[in-house]
Amino acid sequence: KNEVEQSPQNLTAQEGEFITINCSYSVGISALHWLQQHPGGGIVSLFMLSSGKKKHGRLIATINIQEKHSSLHITASHPRDSAVYICAVKVGAQKLVFGQGTRLTINP
Amino acid sequence: SQTIHQWPATLVQPVGSPLSLECTVEGTSNPNLYWYRQAAGRGLQLLFYSVGIGQISSEVPQNLSASRPQDRQFILSSKKLLLSDSGFYLCAWSTPTGYGTEAFFGQGTRLTVV
Repeated sequence: KNEVEQSPQNLTAQEGEFITINCSYSVGISALHWLQQHPGGGIVSLFMLSSGKKKHGRLIATINIQEKHSSLHITASHPRDSAVYICAVKVGAQKLVFGQGTRLTINP
Repeated sequence: SQTIHQWPATLVQPVGSPLSLECTVEGTSNPNLYWYRQAAGRGLQLLFYSVGIGQISSEVPQNLSASRPQDRQFILSSKKLLLSDSGFYLCAWSTPTGYGTEAFFGQGTRLTVV
């Protein structure tokens, strides 16, 4: 079993829908990252969380440390949100462990 | 501000040829540095991480090696590439202070071994 599990692996939705991507982890962490990877491969860091909730524009990320679970929400989704979204956890001071990613496709 | 440079962006190499991918970081000192590989259709896998000059930890046995000759330089190498080395390679850095620190990624190198 992977230390970081994401669901769903693939998600297709219509423009305007509310999107939720989930991440569960089984190890102790110091922080959790949500990343966005576009088709060219480059990765952008969206959020870094150690507790609670963060919001940036139409993106919201939450984390529940006790349940070892985080969610990434996208409100009013748009085709330009289509990308792979990756959850990564920081284990100790050095290591990042990645989930497999969720491929999101937003159709116009 | 901190930036990370990784090159080349794409590379096509024949089987058995050597490899050298370079990553440099600006605007910070003593970063933790990482090399990751993403095989087609799969998640990112940690290959190496380094907490200081000359200090390299390997996560998986493989055909690759890493070196950190300077504080902000991280190099991924191979003496003889295999077909299975094809993939997308990402360099990343984070601050070594432990809790609640950001991670920053290079643009990646897409390596095709033919």
